[in-house]
Amino acid sequence: GQQLNQSPQSMFIQEGEDVSMNCTSSSIFNTWLWYKQDPGEGPVLLIALYKAGELTSNGRLTAQFGITRKDSFLNISASIPSDVGIYFCAGTATDSWGKFQFGAGTQVVVTP
Amino acid sequence: DVKVTQSSRYLVKRTGEKVFLECVQDMDHENMFWYRQDPGLGLRLIYFSYDVKMKEKGDIPEGYSVSREKKERFSLILESASTNQTSMYLCASRGAGSYEKLFFGSGTQLSVL
Repeated sequence: GQQLNQSPQSMFIQEGEDVSMNCTSSSIFNTWLWYKQDPGEGPVLLIALYKAGELTSNGRLTAQFGITRKDSFLNISASIPSDVGIYFCAGTATDSWGKFQFGAGTQVVVTP
Repeated sequence: DVKVTQSSRYLVKRTGEKVFLECVQDMDHENMFWYRQDPGLGLRLIYFSYDVKMKEKGDIPEGYSVSREKKERFSLILESASTNQTSMYLCASRGAGSYEKLFFGSGTQLSVL
């Protein structure tokens, strides 16, 4: 099956710093998603990307759909304490009927 | 706002017990999903349903079954729980017109002793 590699596995950053994480796939995807999971909650959709090269922002978050269609990137600028959580990438291919493969997640810890 | 409600936040069961995890959504969504979440492995799809009484296997269906008798309710069943099924279970729903927007419940942390 499809394999998603998400890195880094965890990040410890100071408030105000920028954060970058990425996902790579062994297959071509036609949709990339980024979710955030707060402690004790289910994941919530942050950004959806639909075509190669697309760059989309949601507040301090910016995500890009890689040109090769096999990768995606998420950046968080000027981190704040509420950015703490687990960030997941997810992707799907055209023939997968919207069945998404999820990355293992990036745990982000923000210290004052 | 869409609400996906999982009946239990924490469950502790013994090996061999039959376990039911219940999920209810209030937005008339056609599609419902069950995932398990394990550290370092992310979310893995167990089963999904695209309509009442319809079900499809996901990536890791072994040891699980599901039931969807009503549109709003999707149940995950562990016929004979085993210790390797100790995990966080997440239910999600999705409307037919927005295939990327999964709405998740808060999860059920199941421990099998």
